[in-house]
Amino acid sequence: GAVVSQHPSRVICKSGTSVKIECRSLDFQATTMFWYRQFPKQSLMLMATSNEGSKATYEQGVEKDKFLINHASLTLSTLTVTSAHPEDSSFYICSARDPGARTDTQYFGPGTRLTVL
Amino acid sequence: EDKVVQSPLSLVVHEGDTVTLNCSYEVTNFRSLLWYKQEKKAPTFLFMLTSSGIEKKSGRLSSILDKKELFSILNITATQTGDSAVYLCAVKETSGSRLTFGEGTQLTVNP
Repeated sequence: GAVVSQHPSRVICKSGTSVKIECRSLDFQATTMFWYRQFPKQSLMLMATSNEGSKATYEQGVEKDKFLINHASLTLSTLTVTSAHPEDSSFYICSARDPGARTDTQYFGPGTRLTVL
Repeated sequence: EDKVVQSPLSLVVHEGDTVTLNCSYEVTNFRSLLWYKQEKKAPTFLFMLTSSGIEKKSGRLSSILDKKELFSILNITATQTGDSAVYLCAVKETSGSRLTFGEGTQLTVNP
């Protein structure tokens, strides 16, 4: 299947700092990528849909000024958690859909575990 | 609002047992249902189902969809400790690409 990478895999930061997470599709071009957040023992919650060349679409309750998404190329989307606070500590996962594939499957990155002290 | 409900939320079995995981959904314009396995990191794709009554099979895992009853099951036979994971069910509508996930079933297979 298609490969999606995320970087970094783990980050620890101080409260008030900003953290950038990268999501890359390695062997296909993704016009759409998705950002999810997962708290311990909970399911994936969609935060936003990242669209190449246009603004991201945020889910209800997700602050777009706090979670900045940039999808500047067909293989890269970034999520920046601005002014991070301990409650932002979570597992952030991106996924991408291969538009050339026949199926609706989304391929997930390995995730980024963010810990805000 | 789309809704995906999985049951049970947690299941503990012994190696060799057979398990059935359930997923029910309420979606305005259903297109497909997907099953994922999540171990310590991100989910890995298992099956995608679009038509009722057609079983998808991969080794000891199989899944089937009932679009009339808005329901899918994932079966795992002869379970192994390596099957221990969270199994996630997600549905996709006809419009857009977003997936709505259920809460997942935490499966623990003891030796």
